[in-house]
Amino acid sequence: GAVVSQHPSWVICKSGTSVKIECRSLDFQATTMFWYRQFPKQSLMLMATSNEGSKATYEQGVEKDKFLINHASLTLSTLTVTSAHPEDSSFYICSAPGLSSDTQYFGPGTRLTVL
Amino acid sequence: AQTVTQSQPEMSVQEAETVTLSCTYDTSESNYYLFWYKQPPSRQMILVIRQEAYKQQNATENRFSVNFQKAAKSFSLKISDSQLGDTAMYFCAFTVQANNLFFGTGTRLTVIP
Repeated sequence: GAVVSQHPSWVICKSGTSVKIECRSLDFQATTMFWYRQFPKQSLMLMATSNEGSKATYEQGVEKDKFLINHASLTLSTLTVTSAHPEDSSFYICSAPGLSSDTQYFGPGTRLTVL
Repeated sequence: AQTVTQSQPEMSVQEAETVTLSCTYDTSESNYYLFWYKQPPSRQMILVIRQEAYKQQNATENRFSVNFQKAAKSFSLKISDSQLGDTAMYFCAFTVQANNLFFGTGTRLTVIP
């Protein structure tokens, strides 16, 4: 099956710093990747759609200047949380559609803690 | 707008017994896909089963099967012969092809030894 990796798996940072999270499709190419955020005991909420070679599409209420997305290649999308604050602490998950395109494959997630 | 509703926040089942998790959805699309994902304590999202809306036959994957009622917009998951490893959060999800998933709020399933 299709494999998606994320790095790092967890990160702790100080308030005001920036954190980059990588999402890679390991054995397939993905022109589109999705970034979700999951707060404790809640469901996954779509933050943005990452498009290879073009600008990301952000969901309503998600600050594009705070959550920078770069889809530099067909196997890599990055999410940078800029000037992180404690309220940005969450579990961030990426996904990519597989070859059949109707099924999403998820990365293992990144737990971000902002002190 | 697409919505997915899971009305059971928590469920429990005895080991080896059968449990059914409920899910309803709303969409104006005619062709779409439905999924059940499992999220164990590791938080890795694991695909359990998928159903294509244009297929009337209910999907099955080993101990997991669905009851897909398109007219009623219902998509329940049945887990037979429940095992301790089935303990997890289960999310019902919906998508139109190659687009993002819409998730329900999840059902926390506990399998009791």
